[in-house]
Amino acid sequence: GDQVEQSPSALSLHEGTGSALRCNFTTTMRAVQWFRKNSRGSLINLFYLASGTKENGRLKSAFDSKERYSTLHIRDAQLEDSGTYFCAAEAYNMGYKLTFGTGTSLLVDP
Amino acid sequence: NAGVIQTPRHKVTGKGQEATLWCEPISGHSAVFWYRQTIVQGLEFLTYFRNQAPIDDSGMPKERFSAQMPNQSHSTLKIQSTQPQDSAVYLCASSLGPGDSGNTLYFGEGSRLIVV
Repeated sequence: GDQVEQSPSALSLHEGTGSALRCNFTTTMRAVQWFRKNSRGSLINLFYLASGTKENGRLKSAFDSKERYSTLHIRDAQLEDSGTYFCAAEAYNMGYKLTFGTGTSLLVDP
Repeated sequence: NAGVIQTPRHKVTGKGQEATLWCEPISGHSAVFWYRQTIVQGLEFLTYFRNQAPIDDSGMPKERFSAQMPNQSHSTLKIQSTQPQDSAVYLCASSLGPGDSGNTLYFGEGSRLIVV
C-alpha cells in the first residue's frame, strides 16, 4: 500500500508569506529527502534527513522517524519558489530505494 | 560537475518497437537508480545498481524491461516491444552510496518516452 502521504496537493501563497508541506509515513522510515522540480523538469535535492531538522535559507525541514512524518517549511515565499515539491523516503526494509509522495504544487503570487 | 546526463531527452516510438535509454551518472557516484514518472502513478522506483551490480529490480515490469550497467560511467534501460502504457518520463539518478547523507539522490532531466 501507499507508504508516503503528502499534503497538501496544491498550495497558493502570497509573496512574503510562508507555509508548511507535510509527509506522513505508514511505516518507519530510515531517512527522507525533499525535492523541487525545476523549470526543466529536473528534481533538485533540497534536503536529506536521517533525523532532526535542517535549514537552508528560507527552507527548513524536519523528520521524525518515530512519529512517522516529515515537514518542509517555506518562509518569506518568493515567486521563484513556485513549482512542485516532492518528499521521498527510505524504508528500513526496502534497501535504499525511495518511495515518493504525490507532490505539492506550490504557486506563489505577488 | 555536469550532473546526471540522460539521453535522449525525448523519444517517440511506434508500438512494438524497442526503446533504449541511456544514463551517465555523476563521476564518483557508486549508486544508480531508475525511476518512472507518469501522471497516474507518480514517481515509481524501477531498479538500482551499486558499483555496477544490480541490487534491486523489484520495480521493473517482469517482461520487456531490462537494465544494465556495463561500466561505472553509464547505465541503460531497455524496453522491448513498447506499449502505449510505457509512455512516461524515465528518470535516472545517482548517489555517492549508502552512508551519512550518502544516499542523497541527484536526478537527471529525464527521458520522455512516447509510444504511439
